[in-house]
Amino acid sequence: QKEVEQNSGPLSVPEGAIASLNCTYSDRGSQSFFWYRQYSGKSPELIMFIYSNGDKEDGRFTAQLNKASQYVSLLIRDSQPSDSATYLCAVGDAGGTSYGKLTFGQGTILTVHP
Amino acid sequence: ETGVTQSPTHLIKTRGQQVTLRCSSQSGHNTVSWYQQALGQGPQFIFQYYREEENGRGNFPPRFSGLQFPNYSSELNVNALELDDSALYLCASSQGSGETQYFGPGTRLLVL
Repeated sequence: QKEVEQNSGPLSVPEGAIASLNCTYSDRGSQSFFWYRQYSGKSPELIMFIYSNGDKEDGRFTAQLNKASQYVSLLIRDSQPSDSATYLCAVGDAGGTSYGKLTFGQGTILTVHP
Repeated sequence: ETGVTQSPTHLIKTRGQQVTLRCSSQSGHNTVSWYQQALGQGPQFIFQYYREEENGRGNFPPRFSGLQFPNYSSELNVNALELDDSALYLCASSQGSGETQYFGPGTRLLVL
Protein backbone atom coordinates (compact mmCIF):
# COMPACT_ATOMS: atom_id res chain seq x y z
CA GLN A 1 0.00 0.00 0.00
CA LYS A 2 1.61 3.20 -1.16
CA GLU A 3 1.36 5.93 1.44
CA VAL A 4 1.83 9.66 1.49
CA GLU A 5 2.06 11.38 4.86
CA GLN A 6 1.94 15.10 5.50
CA ASN A 7 2.91 16.95 8.65
CA SER A 8 -0.08 17.27 10.88
CA GLY A 9 -1.65 20.67 11.08
CA PRO A 10 -3.07 23.02 11.32
CA LEU A 11 -0.09 25.28 10.67
CA SER A 12 -0.41 28.91 11.61
CA VAL A 13 2.11 31.55 10.53
CA PRO A 14 2.11 35.35 10.65
CA GLU A 15 1.82 37.36 7.47
CA GLY A 16 5.21 37.78 5.82
CA ALA A 17 6.72 34.65 7.37
CA ILE A 18 7.90 31.49 5.63
CA ALA A 19 5.49 28.57 5.75
CA SER A 20 7.04 25.11 5.52
CA LEU A 21 4.94 22.13 4.50
CA ASN A 22 6.36 18.62 4.56
CA CYS A 23 5.50 15.30 3.00
CA THR A 24 7.00 11.79 3.04
CA TYR A 25 6.16 8.91 0.74
CA SER A 26 6.59 5.18 1.00
CA ASP A 27 7.22 4.06 -2.61
CA ARG A 28 10.90 4.54 -3.33
CA GLY A 29 10.28 4.20 -7.06
CA SER A 30 7.98 7.25 -7.25
CA GLN A 31 9.14 9.76 -9.82
CA SER A 32 6.69 12.66 -9.89
CA PHE A 33 5.60 14.89 -7.06
CA PHE A 34 2.95 17.58 -6.90
CA TRP A 35 1.64 20.22 -4.56
CA TYR A 36 -1.98 21.27 -4.83
CA ARG A 37 -3.74 24.05 -2.95
CA GLN A 38 -7.39 23.61 -2.00
CA TYR A 39 -9.49 26.44 -0.68
CA SER A 40 -12.46 25.52 1.48
CA GLY A 41 -15.31 24.22 -0.66
CA LYS A 42 -13.23 24.29 -3.86
CA SER A 43 -11.29 21.76 -5.88
CA PRO A 44 -7.49 21.25 -5.77
CA GLU A 45 -5.41 23.71 -7.78
CA LEU A 46 -1.93 22.76 -8.98
CA ILE A 47 0.84 24.93 -7.51
CA MET A 48 4.06 23.08 -8.28
CA PHE A 49 5.41 19.84 -9.64
CA ILE A 50 8.92 18.46 -9.24
CA TYR A 51 10.62 15.42 -10.72
CA SER A 52 14.32 15.83 -9.88
CA ASN A 53 16.21 16.02 -6.61
CA GLY A 54 16.84 19.54 -5.39
CA ASP A 55 14.90 22.76 -5.35
CA LYS A 56 12.46 24.22 -7.83
CA GLU A 57 11.31 27.80 -7.42
CA ASP A 58 8.25 29.55 -8.83
CA GLY A 59 7.62 33.00 -7.46
CA ARG A 60 7.07 32.78 -3.71
CA PHE A 61 6.90 28.98 -3.82
CA THR A 62 9.83 26.55 -3.61
CA ALA A 63 9.43 22.80 -3.86
CA GLN A 64 12.23 20.63 -2.50
CA LEU A 65 12.72 16.95 -3.29
CA ASN A 66 15.02 14.42 -1.64
CA LYS A 67 14.44 10.99 -3.14
CA ALA A 68 17.00 9.29 -0.90
CA SER A 69 15.01 10.40 2.16
CA GLN A 70 11.67 10.03 0.34
CA TYR A 71 10.80 13.55 1.33
CA VAL A 72 9.24 16.47 -0.48
CA SER A 73 8.48 19.90 0.91
CA LEU A 74 6.89 23.19 -0.08
CA LEU A 75 8.12 26.52 1.18
CA ILE A 76 5.95 29.61 0.86
CA ARG A 77 7.89 32.85 1.31
CA ASP A 78 6.28 36.13 2.35
CA SER A 79 3.08 34.31 3.31
CA GLN A 80 -0.14 36.19 2.68
CA PRO A 81 -3.61 35.71 4.19
CA SER A 82 -4.73 34.59 0.72
CA ASP A 83 -2.38 31.59 1.09
CA SER A 84 -4.64 30.23 3.84
CA ALA A 85 -5.86 26.91 2.46
CA THR A 86 -5.32 23.16 2.65
CA TYR A 87 -2.14 22.03 0.89
CA LEU A 88 -2.16 18.57 -0.61
CA CYS A 89 0.96 16.61 -1.44
CA ALA A 90 0.49 14.10 -4.28
CA VAL A 91 2.84 11.43 -5.57
CA GLY A 92 2.61 10.01 -9.09
CA ASP A 93 2.89 6.34 -9.87
CA ALA A 94 6.32 4.82 -10.05
CA GLY A 95 8.08 4.54 -13.37
CA GLY A 96 7.20 1.57 -15.51
CA THR A 97 3.48 1.75 -14.92
CA SER A 98 1.13 2.68 -17.67
CA TYR A 99 -0.95 5.26 -15.93
CA GLY A 100 -0.63 8.35 -13.78
CA LYS A 101 -2.51 7.55 -10.60
CA LEU A 102 -1.92 10.19 -7.95
CA THR A 103 -1.72 9.19 -4.30
CA PHE A 104 -2.54 12.10 -2.01
CA GLY A 105 -1.66 12.89 1.56
CA GLN A 106 -4.37 13.93 3.96
CA GLY A 107 -3.52 17.61 3.54
CA THR A 108 -2.15 20.28 5.85
CA ILE A 109 -4.31 23.26 6.75
CA LEU A 110 -2.35 26.51 6.62
CA THR A 111 -3.59 29.69 8.22
CA VAL A 112 -1.75 32.97 7.63
CA HIS A 113 -2.82 35.58 10.15
CA PRO A 114 -2.37 39.33 9.65
CA GLU B 1 -9.63 28.14 -14.35
CA THR B 2 -8.38 24.84 -15.73
CA GLY B 3 -10.91 24.40 -18.53
CA VAL B 4 -12.15 21.18 -16.93
CA THR B 5 -15.90 21.25 -16.31
CA GLN B 6 -18.11 18.96 -14.25
CA SER B 7 -21.85 18.56 -13.86
CA PRO B 8 -23.88 18.74 -11.80
CA THR B 9 -22.27 20.84 -9.07
CA HIS B 10 -24.39 19.37 -6.30
CA LEU B 11 -26.57 16.29 -6.06
CA ILE B 12 -28.72 14.67 -3.40
CA LYS B 13 -29.67 11.01 -3.71
CA THR B 14 -31.08 8.34 -1.44
CA ARG B 15 -29.43 5.08 -0.52
CA GLY B 16 -29.79 2.42 -3.23
CA GLN B 17 -30.20 4.88 -6.09
CA GLN B 18 -27.86 5.27 -9.04
CA VAL B 19 -26.01 8.43 -10.09
CA THR B 20 -24.13 9.63 -13.17
CA LEU B 21 -21.55 12.39 -12.96
CA ARG B 22 -20.08 14.08 -16.02
CA CYS B 23 -16.75 15.65 -16.87
CA SER B 24 -15.45 17.54 -19.89
CA SER B 25 -11.68 17.53 -20.19
CA GLN B 26 -9.51 20.49 -21.00
CA SER B 27 -8.92 21.11 -24.70
CA GLY B 28 -6.04 18.98 -25.96
CA HIS B 29 -6.26 16.49 -23.10
CA ASN B 30 -7.04 12.83 -23.81
CA THR B 31 -7.00 11.42 -20.28
CA VAL B 32 -9.52 11.71 -17.47
CA SER B 33 -8.99 10.52 -13.91
CA TRP B 34 -11.69 10.37 -11.25
CA TYR B 35 -11.15 10.85 -7.53
CA GLN B 36 -13.36 10.70 -4.44
CA GLN B 37 -12.64 13.15 -1.63
CA ALA B 38 -14.32 12.59 1.71
CA LEU B 39 -14.53 15.49 4.13
CA GLY B 40 -11.18 16.25 5.71
CA GLN B 41 -9.29 13.71 3.58
CA GLY B 42 -7.13 13.80 0.50
CA PRO B 43 -8.61 12.66 -2.82
CA GLN B 44 -8.68 8.89 -3.45
CA PHE B 45 -8.10 7.57 -6.97
CA ILE B 46 -11.10 5.76 -8.45
CA PHE B 47 -9.98 5.09 -12.04
CA GLN B 48 -8.47 6.64 -15.13
CA TYR B 49 -9.62 6.64 -18.75
CA TYR B 50 -7.10 7.06 -21.54
CA ARG B 51 -8.28 7.13 -25.15
CA GLU B 52 -11.66 5.63 -24.20
CA GLU B 53 -10.21 2.67 -22.28
CA GLU B 54 -10.00 2.16 -18.51
CA ASN B 55 -6.32 2.57 -17.76
CA GLY B 56 -5.99 1.85 -14.07
CA ARG B 57 -8.32 1.46 -11.12
CA GLY B 58 -8.10 2.17 -7.42
CA ASN B 59 -9.58 0.23 -4.55
CA PHE B 60 -13.24 0.86 -5.36
CA PRO B 61 -15.96 -1.77 -5.86
CA PRO B 62 -17.41 -2.64 -9.30
CA ARG B 63 -20.50 -0.53 -8.63
CA PHE B 64 -18.24 2.39 -9.51
CA SER B 65 -17.94 2.37 -13.30
CA GLY B 66 -17.11 4.83 -16.01
CA LEU B 67 -16.96 5.72 -19.66
CA GLN B 68 -14.91 7.95 -21.86
CA PHE B 69 -16.30 9.27 -25.13
CA PRO B 70 -14.53 10.00 -28.45
CA ASN B 71 -14.34 13.70 -27.51
CA TYR B 72 -12.55 12.58 -24.29
CA SER B 73 -15.36 13.67 -21.98
CA SER B 74 -16.17 11.12 -19.31
CA GLU B 75 -18.87 9.80 -17.04
CA LEU B 76 -18.67 8.25 -13.58
CA ASN B 77 -21.56 5.97 -12.65
CA VAL B 78 -22.23 4.74 -9.15
CA ASN B 79 -24.88 2.08 -8.57
CA ALA B 80 -26.57 1.06 -5.32
CA LEU B 81 -25.51 4.22 -3.52
CA GLU B 82 -24.40 3.91 0.09
CA LEU B 83 -24.24 6.59 2.76
CA ASP B 84 -20.42 6.46 2.65
CA ASP B 85 -20.50 7.49 -1.01
CA SER B 86 -21.26 11.02 0.16
CA ALA B 87 -18.21 12.99 -0.94
CA LEU B 88 -16.76 15.45 -3.41
CA TYR B 89 -16.15 13.72 -6.74
CA LEU B 90 -13.30 15.22 -8.70
CA CYS B 91 -12.41 14.80 -12.31
CA ALA B 92 -8.90 15.61 -13.50
CA SER B 93 -7.74 15.82 -17.08
CA SER B 94 -4.24 15.46 -18.44
CA GLN B 95 -2.39 15.43 -21.75
CA GLY B 96 -1.57 11.75 -21.46
CA SER B 97 -1.84 9.02 -18.87
CA GLY B 98 1.22 9.98 -16.88
CA GLU B 99 1.07 13.72 -17.25
CA THR B 100 0.22 16.50 -14.86
CA GLN B 101 -3.43 16.45 -13.83
CA TYR B 102 -5.71 19.48 -13.62
CA PHE B 103 -8.89 19.28 -11.60
CA GLY B 104 -12.39 20.39 -12.39
CA PRO B 105 -14.62 22.10 -9.81
CA GLY B 106 -16.06 18.82 -8.55
CA THR B 107 -19.51 17.41 -7.88
CA ARG B 108 -20.64 17.27 -4.29
CA LEU B 109 -22.81 14.20 -3.72
CA LEU B 110 -24.92 13.70 -0.64
CA VAL B 111 -26.52 10.30 -0.06
CA LEU B 112 -29.37 10.22 2.46
